[in-house]
Amino acid sequence: GQNIDQPTEMTATEGAIVQINCTYQTSGFNGLFWYQQHAGEAPTFLSYNVLDGLEEKGRFSSFLSRSKGYSYLLLKELQMKDSASYLCAVRDLGGSQGNLIFGKGTKLSVKP
Amino acid sequence: DGGITQSPKYLFRKEGQNVTLSCEQNLNHDAMYWYRQDPGQGLRLIYYSQIVNDFQKGDIAEGYSVSREKKESFPLTVTSAQKNPTAFYLCASTPGEVNTEAFFGQGTRLTVV
Repeated sequence: GQNIDQPTEMTATEGAIVQINCTYQTSGFNGLFWYQQHAGEAPTFLSYNVLDGLEEKGRFSSFLSRSKGYSYLLLKELQMKDSASYLCAVRDLGGSQGNLIFGKGTKLSVKP
Repeated sequence: DGGITQSPKYLFRKEGQNVTLSCEQNLNHDAMYWYRQDPGQGLRLIYYSQIVNDFQKGDIAEGYSVSREKKESFPLTVTSAQKNPTAFYLCASTPGEVNTEAFFGQGTRLTVV
């Protein structure tokens, strides 16, 4: 079966570091994506991992371990505007291009 | 500017009526998708299309229909057969390469009254 798990909610303090974990079980794998979604808005792309290791992009980093079916998104120097839902998505190999399978998202609340 | 446009942003429908949600992209992307999002749920795939005049059902296609007569357009019709249509609907598109992210429209919030 196909399953993507993320914590439902997390709370962190402004200026701190937070790690959002994602575990997945899919029939195929062709990359893992992280998106940020503010309430009532469209998801926006944050990062993409297809090989094991860490990808860094400013305050955001994403890590992938394919053998463990595990990824995390690391947010540094948290700001109030980082309060949002963070969606983990895996591109499955089904179909000629593969489709994105989304987790339920992690709602992050940043407190002053 | 290139992008993907959904309209309208808010839509109200009377129970028993069909309604069509618009999705247009000028990114020259081959693939287009429709997702539904409910509170506390992730994005669930309704339909997707990889080329013009071809589309496939996603995980929750019952009560929905689509067409792909043009590369730029992928409208979604919510029919009266959809028992719980109130939700946030998101359209997305991707180019041909599998290692690229999906681009999303701003979404349509449909409410059945």
